[in-house]
Amino acid sequence: DAKTTQPPSMDCAEGRAANLPCNHSTISGNEYVYWYRQIHSQGPQYIIHGLKNNETNEMASLIITEDRKSSTLILPHATLRDTAVYYCIVAYDRGSTLGRLYFGRGTQLTVWP
Amino acid sequence: SAVISQKPSRDICQRGTSLTIQCQVDSQVTMMFWYRQQPGQSLTLIATANQGSEATYESGFVIDKFPISRPNLTFSTLTVSNMSPEDSSIYLCSVTREVDTQYFGPGTRLTVL
Repeated sequence: DAKTTQPPSMDCAEGRAANLPCNHSTISGNEYVYWYRQIHSQGPQYIIHGLKNNETNEMASLIITEDRKSSTLILPHATLRDTAVYYCIVAYDRGSTLGRLYFGRGTQLTVWP
Repeated sequence: SAVISQKPSRDICQRGTSLTIQCQVDSQVTMMFWYRQQPGQSLTLIATANQGSEATYESGFVIDKFPISRPNLTFSTLTVSNMSPEDSSIYLCSVTREVDTQYFGPGTRLTVL
């Protein structure tokens, strides 16, 4: 079962930063925060994940609060191609059955020109 | 990242029939999973495909309805049996190759008439 809460929709102007929040107040000490996105009619795409430290890659930044009960995905310069449903998921990091992902409803991000 | 292909990409089937969906990965992976995404909904995990043993099903899914095979470390099949219109969904496989990243296939869009 999904253990996260996200706003159902958000808008962002092209070229601006998109900040997508996620609440995961029941996260356990060994669980990571993962972000995926799904562009219409495609399989979900991995974006980033983290345990407790902030993370950054070529796609996005992930900010996790000190108590780990919430996080924010930041797309620094949103483009029209970033329009998608963004899923925040908590899961273990192992390549085993512990790595199963349970998706919530996600946030529909719409980037407008 | 892993390159994942699914066959067929889409199909239209008559109720009462069965369809087998194939998932092929370009390299050996640790875990393979099958998900369902009903129209307008999020992804729901069906089962974990275990190499050399029976699949592990999530609550609400049974082997008689969704038999799964995984003969080796790069291939798995999901069969949707005795289909009804309620089985109309996108079916996706995913794989874990590294210890903490899961990649998804493009999905199979199934319509049952």
